[in-house]
Formats: sequence, structure tokens, C-alpha cells
Amino acid sequence: NAGVIQTPRHKVTGKGQEATLWCEPISGHSAVFWYRQTIVQGLEFLTYFRNQAPIDDSGMPKERFSAQMPNQSHSTLKIQSTQPQDSAVYLCASSSGTGDAEQFFGPGTRLTVL
Amino acid sequence: GDSVTQTEGPVTLSEGTSLTVNCSYETKQYPTLFWYVQYPGEGPQLLFKVPKANEKGSSRGFEATYNKEATSFHLQKASVQESDSAVYYCALSEMGYKLTFGTGTSLLVDP
Repeated sequence: NAGVIQTPRHKVTGKGQEATLWCEPISGHSAVFWYRQTIVQGLEFLTYFRNQAPIDDSGMPKERFSAQMPNQSHSTLKIQSTQPQDSAVYLCASSSGTGDAEQFFGPGTRLTVL
Repeated sequence: GDSVTQTEGPVTLSEGTSLTVNCSYETKQYPTLFWYVQYPGEGPQLLFKVPKANEKGSSRGFEATYNKEATSFHLQKASVQESDSAVYYCALSEMGYKLTFGTGTSLLVDP
């Protein structure tokens, strides 16, 4: 079991460019989560998919951020027109989806917007 | 919304001494409570879930008891080791999936 895989591990973009972050959940897990981690705000929930369907995106900034889960083996987080304040570590997690099942986190993608 | 408040860090201890990280929360609902640990370059990993009010959760020598009246669930370890150096987060679960994390407590254990 390779755990949750996130690619790339590091990404540097210029202001105004687009960034796409990838997540491969643990095989057999039906729930996928995205969180953002910064020094100032700490760990923040962004969005949640269950069985590929978007369930809760209440933590997503309303503009420029979008997430998809086109199949059970991967999810993407896309940030359009990146801004310096988007710099953070973006963490993907997956779980079996039952009740308060343990969420297994990937190592994160560190996004730096210059 | 829900909020979680925990001991500010960093905390520096000598090996063999005891650790307490305080954590309290505010929520309108009946929460599920967790302690997570994060090592450099990794995502958080579950240390343990605190099962029910007035029951103890534990793992790797760490333990926490959920005090429903005080809305708190402090993390404790009797004797820390250098390998325990990490950042510790308390968290609660909303609606059975959405984790709200505390600010994290960085622990450094001197050998």
C-alpha cells in the first residue's frame, strides 16, 4: 500500500499562472479530501468527495479554485490565476468513507507563487 | 463555526520528562475528537481517536481523555523520547468527515 500519492511535491508558478495539483487516493477508499496548510492559517478544510461526487466545498475560495474527481483513482485541485497568497502546502487525504473513518494524508504539494 | 484551541508552542523538553498539550473546543454539536502528529515533509497522521466522553484514547504511550463538561481533551505522555519530536494537532470532526484542526504544538525533545 503506497499510501496517498500527491504530485508534484513542489510547484513554483508565476503570479497569474494556473496550477494543477494531483492526488491519487488509497485504492478502495471512497472519500477524498483536500486541505490547505499555511503558517498563518494552519490546516484548513477545502473540499470533500465521496464516491467521486462533490459533497462539501465550503472551504474552497469562491474564485479561482476548483476541484474534480473524474474517476476513483485520482482527484485534481486547480487554481487559476495564482496569487502569492495561494502559496501553501496542499494536502490530499482519503478514507474508507464510513462514519469518522481515519483520514490518511498524503505528503502534500508545496505551491510557491512568485 | 467550530473551533479548537491548543497549547502554543514550541515546547522543548528533556528526554524522560512528561508532556501535556492542552486542547479545548467549541462546537454546537457532539464532536468526534482526534490527535494527529506531523513529521517534517509529511502529512499529518492519526495518533488516535478519543472514543467517548470520559473514556481514554491512547497510542505509542500518548493518551487523552475527553472531558465533556470542560470540552477539553488534553494530550499526555509520561516520558517523552527524542523520536517524539514533531508537531501535534488536536482536531474535531464535523458531520462525520470535516476535520477542524487546532493550531498545532511543536515539540522538541532534547536527548
